[in-house]
Amino acid sequence: QKEVEQDPGPLSVPEGAIVSLNCTYSNSAFQYFMWYRQYSRKGPELLMYTYSSGNKEDGRFTAQVDKSSKYISLFIRDSQPSDSATYLCAMSGGWYSSASKIIFGSGTRLSIRP
Amino acid sequence: EPEVTQTPSHQVTQMGQEVILRCVPISNHLYFYWYRQILGQKVEFLVSFYNNEISEKSEIFDDQFSVERPDGSNFTLKIRSTKLEDSAMYFCASIRDRVEEKLFFGSGTQLSVL
Repeated sequence: QKEVEQDPGPLSVPEGAIVSLNCTYSNSAFQYFMWYRQYSRKGPELLMYTYSSGNKEDGRFTAQVDKSSKYISLFIRDSQPSDSATYLCAMSGGWYSSASKIIFGSGTRLSIRP
Repeated sequence: EPEVTQTPSHQVTQMGQEVILRCVPISNHLYFYWYRQILGQKVEFLVSFYNNEISEKSEIFDDQFSVERPDGSNFTLKIRSTKLEDSAMYFCASIRDRVEEKLFFGSGTQLSVL
């Protein structure tokens, strides 16, 4: 089983729709969970950061972590064409953990249709 | 807003040649990383660096690779004898501390080995 699994998409939705992006993971040592947005030929840009379980909201973006199910989600409300990008989940166990490296999912390509 | 800067943005080299990719991490960050992304594939961890030494490296980071922090600001990745399969986008990243695992990326160097 891969450490981090993410549906590569592509996912195409109309403007204004709610988007749900997800990752599953296998390593229970992961404590830090991140979502990155990557435009073509650019570096990943940190969108959301969560420690341990729970929800975090930032504007139109909501990150959810369910450690019992080893499942994380990113929701985008009122999606805009400018949200079209590849979304990467990433996670680590922290410096003193056996899972100290930050591991990325393969990314989901999202396209918002005007 | 402070950012990680990388130079050059694009490097073309002949197989067998040495290349040095340069990065200036965010000034108050303490932990530095190199990742690479082969076109269409996931972002892969290469190496992490802290306190002037490698703290962790992946299987990809073999004897052909080395990292250095020659002064207080630059962080370099050297590939001694490039191979065709080294062609990828190389990202430098940094973290302020390991209390918060927020990894910030540069915009990358596209390395093309001919």
